[in-house]
Amino acid sequence: KQEVTQIPAALSVPEGENLVLNCSFTDSAIYNLQWFRQDPGKGLTSLLLIQSSQREQTSGRLNASLDKSSGRSTLYIAASQPGDSATYLCAPSPMIKAAGNKLTFGGGTRVLVKP
Amino acid sequence: DAGVIQSPRHEVTEMGQEVTLRCKPISGHDYLFWYRQTMMRGLELLIYFNNNVPIDDSGMPEDRFSAKMPNASFSTLKIQPSEPRDSAVYFCASTHSGSFYEQYFGPGTRLTVT
Repeated sequence: KQEVTQIPAALSVPEGENLVLNCSFTDSAIYNLQWFRQDPGKGLTSLLLIQSSQREQTSGRLNASLDKSSGRSTLYIAASQPGDSATYLCAPSPMIKAAGNKLTFGGGTRVLVKP
Repeated sequence: DAGVIQSPRHEVTEMGQEVTLRCKPISGHDYLFWYRQTMMRGLELLIYFNNNVPIDDSGMPEDRFSAKMPNASFSTLKIQPSEPRDSAVYFCASTHSGSFYEQYFGPGTRLTVT
Protein backbone atom coordinates (compact mmCIF):
# COMPACT_ATOMS: atom_id res chain seq x y z
CA LYS A 1 0.00 0.00 0.00
CA GLN A 2 1.37 3.39 -1.03
CA GLU A 3 2.19 5.77 1.82
CA VAL A 4 3.02 9.42 1.19
CA THR A 5 4.79 11.73 3.63
CA GLN A 6 5.28 15.45 3.30
CA ILE A 7 7.84 17.27 5.37
CA PRO A 8 7.67 19.82 6.84
CA ALA A 9 4.00 19.93 7.79
CA ALA A 10 4.18 23.73 7.99
CA LEU A 11 6.58 26.35 6.74
CA SER A 12 6.80 30.11 7.28
CA VAL A 13 9.14 32.25 5.20
CA PRO A 14 9.64 35.93 4.41
CA GLU A 15 8.59 37.17 1.01
CA GLY A 16 11.24 36.65 -1.67
CA GLU A 17 12.73 33.52 -0.16
CA ASN A 18 12.74 30.30 -2.18
CA LEU A 19 10.49 27.48 -0.97
CA VAL A 20 11.46 23.81 -0.93
CA LEU A 21 8.68 21.30 -0.25
CA ASN A 22 9.45 17.62 0.12
CA CYS A 23 7.37 14.56 -0.68
CA SER A 24 8.37 10.94 -0.13
CA PHE A 25 6.49 7.79 -1.12
CA THR A 26 7.04 4.14 -0.26
CA ASP A 27 6.15 2.42 -3.56
CA SER A 28 8.38 3.57 -6.41
CA ALA A 29 6.23 1.85 -9.07
CA ILE A 30 4.35 5.00 -9.99
CA TYR A 31 2.78 6.19 -13.26
CA ASN A 32 2.98 9.88 -12.46
CA LEU A 33 2.95 12.34 -9.58
CA GLN A 34 0.84 15.45 -9.20
CA TRP A 35 1.42 18.51 -7.06
CA PHE A 36 -1.65 20.42 -5.95
CA ARG A 37 -2.34 23.67 -4.19
CA GLN A 38 -5.27 24.11 -1.80
CA ASP A 39 -6.38 27.47 -0.46
CA PRO A 40 -8.41 27.53 2.79
CA GLY A 41 -11.98 26.44 2.19
CA LYS A 42 -11.32 25.76 -1.48
CA GLY A 43 -10.78 22.82 -3.78
CA LEU A 44 -7.50 21.50 -5.11
CA THR A 45 -5.75 23.15 -8.03
CA SER A 46 -3.35 21.06 -10.08
CA LEU A 47 0.06 22.75 -10.30
CA LEU A 48 2.31 20.24 -12.02
CA LEU A 49 2.17 16.67 -13.22
CA ILE A 50 5.41 14.72 -13.62
CA GLN A 51 5.35 11.52 -15.62
CA SER A 52 7.39 8.62 -14.26
CA SER A 53 9.82 8.93 -17.18
CA GLN A 54 10.56 12.58 -16.41
CA ARG A 55 13.05 13.99 -13.91
CA GLU A 56 11.49 17.42 -13.61
CA GLN A 57 8.69 19.69 -14.74
CA THR A 58 8.56 23.47 -14.73
CA SER A 59 5.80 26.06 -14.81
CA GLY A 60 6.72 29.68 -14.21
CA ARG A 61 8.26 30.02 -10.76
CA LEU A 62 7.45 26.38 -9.95
CA ASN A 63 9.77 23.46 -10.55
CA ALA A 64 9.10 19.90 -9.48
CA SER A 65 11.68 17.15 -9.51
CA LEU A 66 11.15 13.41 -9.32
CA ASP A 67 13.54 10.69 -8.17
CA LYS A 68 11.43 7.61 -8.59
CA SER A 69 14.04 5.12 -7.43
CA SER A 70 14.42 6.82 -4.08
CA GLY A 71 10.72 7.61 -3.76
CA ARG A 72 11.09 11.37 -3.59
CA SER A 73 9.71 14.48 -5.24
CA THR A 74 10.52 18.08 -4.45
CA LEU A 75 8.56 21.20 -5.31
CA TYR A 76 10.58 24.40 -5.59
CA ILE A 77 8.89 27.78 -5.62
CA ALA A 78 11.23 30.62 -6.53
CA ALA A 79 10.99 34.13 -5.09
CA SER A 80 7.97 33.41 -2.91
CA GLN A 81 5.09 35.89 -2.70
CA PRO A 82 2.31 36.29 -0.11
CA GLY A 83 -0.08 34.90 -2.71
CA ASP A 84 1.80 31.60 -2.55
CA SER A 85 0.44 31.04 0.97
CA ALA A 86 -1.59 27.83 0.79
CA THR A 87 -1.35 24.11 1.51
CA TYR A 88 0.59 22.08 -1.04
CA LEU A 89 -0.14 18.40 -1.55
CA CYS A 90 1.64 15.74 -3.54
CA ALA A 91 -0.05 12.63 -4.89
CA PRO A 92 1.58 9.76 -6.79
CA SER A 93 -0.50 7.38 -8.89
CA PRO A 94 0.13 3.66 -9.37
CA MET A 95 1.85 2.15 -12.42
CA ILE A 96 -1.21 0.09 -13.27
CA LYS A 97 -3.02 2.23 -15.85
CA ALA A 98 -6.24 0.38 -15.25
CA ALA A 99 -6.31 2.08 -11.87
CA GLY A 100 -7.13 5.26 -13.71
CA ASN A 101 -4.67 7.35 -11.80
CA LYS A 102 -5.88 6.40 -8.34
CA LEU A 103 -4.06 9.02 -6.30
CA THR A 104 -2.70 8.66 -2.78
CA PHE A 105 -2.29 11.98 -1.01
CA GLY A 106 0.26 13.17 1.48
CA GLY A 107 -0.80 15.21 4.48
CA GLY A 108 0.33 18.43 2.83
CA THR A 109 2.68 21.27 3.71
CA ARG A 110 1.02 24.45 4.92
CA VAL A 111 2.98 27.45 3.66
CA LEU A 112 2.83 31.01 4.94
CA VAL A 113 4.74 33.72 3.09
CA LYS A 114 5.05 36.85 5.20
CA PRO A 115 5.20 40.26 3.50
CA ASP B 1 -14.78 24.62 -19.89
CA ALA B 2 -16.53 25.30 -16.59
CA GLY B 3 -14.48 22.72 -14.73
CA VAL B 4 -15.88 20.14 -12.35
CA ILE B 5 -19.16 21.34 -10.86
CA GLN B 6 -20.44 20.24 -7.46
CA SER B 7 -23.65 20.98 -5.64
CA PRO B 8 -24.59 21.97 -3.09
CA ARG B 9 -21.54 23.86 -1.85
CA HIS B 10 -22.70 23.63 1.74
CA GLU B 11 -25.09 21.20 3.37
CA VAL B 12 -26.25 21.16 6.96
CA THR B 13 -28.48 18.32 8.02
CA GLU B 14 -29.58 16.45 11.10
CA MET B 15 -28.41 13.01 12.05
CA GLY B 16 -30.48 10.32 10.39
CA GLN B 17 -31.39 12.34 7.33
CA GLU B 18 -30.51 11.35 3.78
CA VAL B 19 -27.89 13.48 2.03
CA THR B 20 -27.23 13.57 -1.72
CA LEU B 21 -24.18 15.25 -3.20
CA ARG B 22 -23.95 15.93 -6.92
CA CYS B 23 -21.13 16.21 -9.41
CA LYS B 24 -20.80 17.12 -13.08
CA PRO B 25 -17.38 16.15 -14.47
CA ILE B 26 -15.51 17.97 -17.19
CA SER B 27 -16.94 17.12 -20.59
CA GLY B 28 -14.98 14.36 -22.30
CA HIS B 29 -13.48 12.97 -19.11
CA ASP B 30 -14.08 9.26 -18.66
CA TYR B 31 -12.95 8.86 -15.04
CA LEU B 32 -14.74 10.31 -12.03
CA PHE B 33 -13.55 10.18 -8.43
CA TRP B 34 -15.19 10.93 -5.08
CA TYR B 35 -12.92 11.97 -2.19
CA ARG B 36 -13.51 12.96 1.42
CA GLN B 37 -11.30 15.37 3.35
CA THR B 38 -11.14 15.67 7.13
CA MET B 39 -8.59 17.15 9.48
CA MET B 40 -7.95 13.78 11.08
CA ARG B 41 -7.63 11.59 7.97
CA GLY B 42 -6.71 14.03 5.22
CA LEU B 43 -7.87 13.27 1.67
CA GLU B 44 -9.28 9.80 1.11
CA LEU B 45 -10.54 8.23 -2.10
CA LEU B 46 -14.02 6.83 -1.61
CA ILE B 47 -14.90 5.45 -5.05
CA TYR B 48 -14.11 5.97 -8.71
CA PHE B 49 -15.86 5.29 -12.01
CA ASN B 50 -14.60 4.61 -15.52
CA ASN B 51 -17.07 5.12 -18.36
CA ASN B 52 -19.88 5.35 -15.78
CA VAL B 53 -19.00 1.97 -14.24
CA PRO B 54 -17.82 1.77 -10.60
CA ILE B 55 -14.31 0.33 -10.60
CA ASP B 56 -13.12 0.53 -7.01
CA ASP B 57 -15.36 1.27 -4.04
CA SER B 58 -12.98 -0.05 -1.39
CA GLY B 59 -12.78 3.39 0.20
CA MET B 60 -16.50 3.67 0.88
CA PRO B 61 -16.64 3.60 4.68
CA GLU B 62 -19.94 1.83 5.22
CA ASP B 63 -23.07 0.58 3.53
CA ARG B 64 -24.65 3.90 4.41
CA PHE B 65 -22.64 5.36 1.54
CA SER B 66 -23.59 4.74 -2.08
CA ALA B 67 -22.59 6.33 -5.38
CA LYS B 68 -24.04 6.25 -8.86
CA MET B 69 -23.14 7.54 -12.27
CA PRO B 70 -26.19 7.22 -14.54
CA ASN B 71 -24.48 8.98 -17.45
CA ALA B 72 -21.18 10.57 -18.46
CA SER B 73 -22.14 14.00 -17.17
CA PHE B 74 -23.60 13.29 -13.75
CA SER B 75 -22.78 11.44 -10.54
CA THR B 76 -24.25 11.34 -7.04
CA LEU B 77 -22.91 10.34 -3.66
CA LYS B 78 -25.61 9.47 -1.16
CA ILE B 79 -25.38 9.00 2.59
CA GLN B 80 -28.37 7.32 4.23
CA PRO B 81 -28.73 7.70 7.17
CA SER B 82 -26.20 10.44 7.90
CA GLU B 83 -24.20 10.59 11.14
CA PRO B 84 -22.16 13.41 12.76
CA ARG B 85 -18.90 11.60 11.90
CA ASP B 86 -19.75 12.00 8.21
CA SER B 87 -19.11 15.73 8.55
CA ALA B 88 -16.33 16.54 6.08
CA VAL B 89 -15.64 18.17 2.76
CA TYR B 90 -16.49 15.92 -0.17
CA PHE B 91 -14.68 16.47 -3.45
CA CYS B 92 -15.39 15.21 -6.91
CA ALA B 93 -12.61 15.00 -9.52
CA SER B 94 -12.38 13.88 -13.13
CA THR B 95 -9.72 12.96 -15.65
CA HIS B 96 -9.08 11.21 -18.94
CA SER B 97 -6.26 9.12 -20.30
CA GLY B 98 -5.34 11.69 -22.95
CA SER B 99 -4.04 14.07 -20.30
CA PHE B 100 -1.83 11.46 -18.60
CA TYR B 101 -4.66 11.15 -16.09
CA GLU B 102 -4.15 14.61 -14.62
CA GLN B 103 -6.99 15.03 -12.14
CA TYR B 104 -9.12 18.15 -11.89
CA PHE B 105 -11.06 18.81 -8.72
CA GLY B 106 -14.36 20.49 -8.05
CA PRO B 107 -14.82 23.11 -5.32
CA GLY B 108 -16.18 20.58 -2.86
CA THR B 109 -19.30 20.21 -0.72
CA ARG B 110 -18.92 21.01 2.96
CA LEU B 111 -21.23 18.65 4.86
CA THR B 112 -22.17 19.24 8.47
CA VAL B 113 -24.30 16.64 10.24
CA THR B 114 -25.66 17.76 13.61
